Amino acid sequence: GNSVTQMEGPVTLSEEAFLTINCTYTATGYPSLFWYVQYPGEGLQLLLKATKADDKGSNKGFEATYRKETTSFHLEKGSVQVSDSAVYFCARRGLNRDDKIIFGKGTRLHILP
Amino acid sequence: DAGVIQSPRHEVTEMGQEVTLRCKPISGHNSLFWYRQTMMRGLELLIYFNNNVPIDDSGMPEDRFSAKMPNASFSTLKIQPSEPRDSAVYFCASSFVNSDTQYFGPGTRLTVL
Repeated sequence: GNSVTQMEGPVTLSEEAFLTINCTYTATGYPSLFWYVQYPGEGLQLLLKATKADDKGSNKGFEATYRKETTSFHLEKGSVQVSDSAVYFCARRGLNRDDKIIFGKGTRLHILP
Repeated sequence: DAGVIQSPRHEVTEMGQEVTLRCKPISGHNSLFWYRQTMMRGLELLIYFNNNVPIDDSGMPEDRFSAKMPNASFSTLKIQPSEPRDSAVYFCASSFVNSDTQYFGPGTRLTVL
């Protein structure tokens, strides 16, 4: 069926390290893809998105490229900060505009000073 | 501008009691979502409304759960009777219909003893 799979956490890195959080999806066609972030004690908020193949979403130094060949949407950041510590959710929407957004299980990220 | 407002922020109750969670979406938004988040199951969509009409309630666990949206600015999620396995953080989110961006409230942390 249609789903999103992301790497299990927690992921622990030192400040200024390079970050990759893997995400793959299964779906027919080309669904819109998203990364949402949840800071401690808060609800989720949209971090970035890509709506078609080869698109790159970017925000706050984070990037993710829609790769249809590998059905992936990995999240990357060149130099993480302590303030990036949060839970990151990969998500997809179905092909129809009224399809609901389906979230992955989330990856907890800890950044050490 | 006020975001999505949820109340209460924390609820502790005993098994068998009725629990009512409340949500006020962002003014002007016409889609509203109820999610449940647990460590074991991650983020689950329970039900969502478009223009106050329930569209998909397939995620509602069982008949003990019910949700209403009597008008565009208010929704409730009720659990009756509550059970310890209902302990979770419940999020409400709102958006414009078919928008890719959902705005989450701060959540209600429910503990059923």
